[in-house]
Amino acid sequence: GAGVSQTPSNKVTEKGKYVELRCDPISGHTALYWYRQSLGQGPEFLIYFQGTGAADDSGLPNDRFFAVRPEGSVSTLKIQRTERGDSAVYLCASSFNRVRYTFGSGTRLTVV
Amino acid sequence: KQEVTQIPAALSVPEGENLVLNCSFTDSAIYNLQWFRQDPGKGLTSLLLIQSSQREQTSGRLNASLDKSSGRSTLYIAASQPGDSATYLCAAVPTGANSKLTFGKGITLSVRP
Repeated sequence: GAGVSQTPSNKVTEKGKYVELRCDPISGHTALYWYRQSLGQGPEFLIYFQGTGAADDSGLPNDRFFAVRPEGSVSTLKIQRTERGDSAVYLCASSFNRVRYTFGSGTRLTVV
Repeated sequence: KQEVTQIPAALSVPEGENLVLNCSFTDSAIYNLQWFRQDPGKGLTSLLLIQSSQREQTSGRLNASLDKSSGRSTLYIAASQPGDSATYLCAAVPTGANSKLTFGKGITLSVRP
């Protein structure tokens, strides 16, 4: 597609529930990144994929967070047993050759 | 571990003023340094990218400079306009295989008509 697509754009969930956030990168971009952004803060790195494999998952805060990219294209960020502190905007980006990074509009997650 | 700092957190200027936004980073082993713009409730838009071998890049009224040895980058905005009001973030890409961006917290700019 023309840009990075993230769905849903907004998600409200109850504490303790499981959520999945989807990212559809630009076709042909081999690298895909997930970031989390809280109000008034810069994007905080979570994980990035090179192809199908997670090249760096050092930013995942704990084992409730998991991400996959099974075919090297679409990625899903999965959060188990959500907590109120997980509320944030989750941003996805893709890149080819470490030059241009294109970001999606984000998924605003609210845990109530 | 790379740390990127942007000070101040917010800035308000009258329309027409030339301004400089500062960015500092702790690890000079960078592949490139990038500046992004973020409008409220939106994703990030790439503004300028400076490769580690370059000193500056220009796009319209924007000029970004890079001084690796001092760990600093600046974004210069000429003749500011109300439409420039947004949050400006800088981010560093490291050398080596890892390509993740490390962001500063951003500077929220308000240009008063």
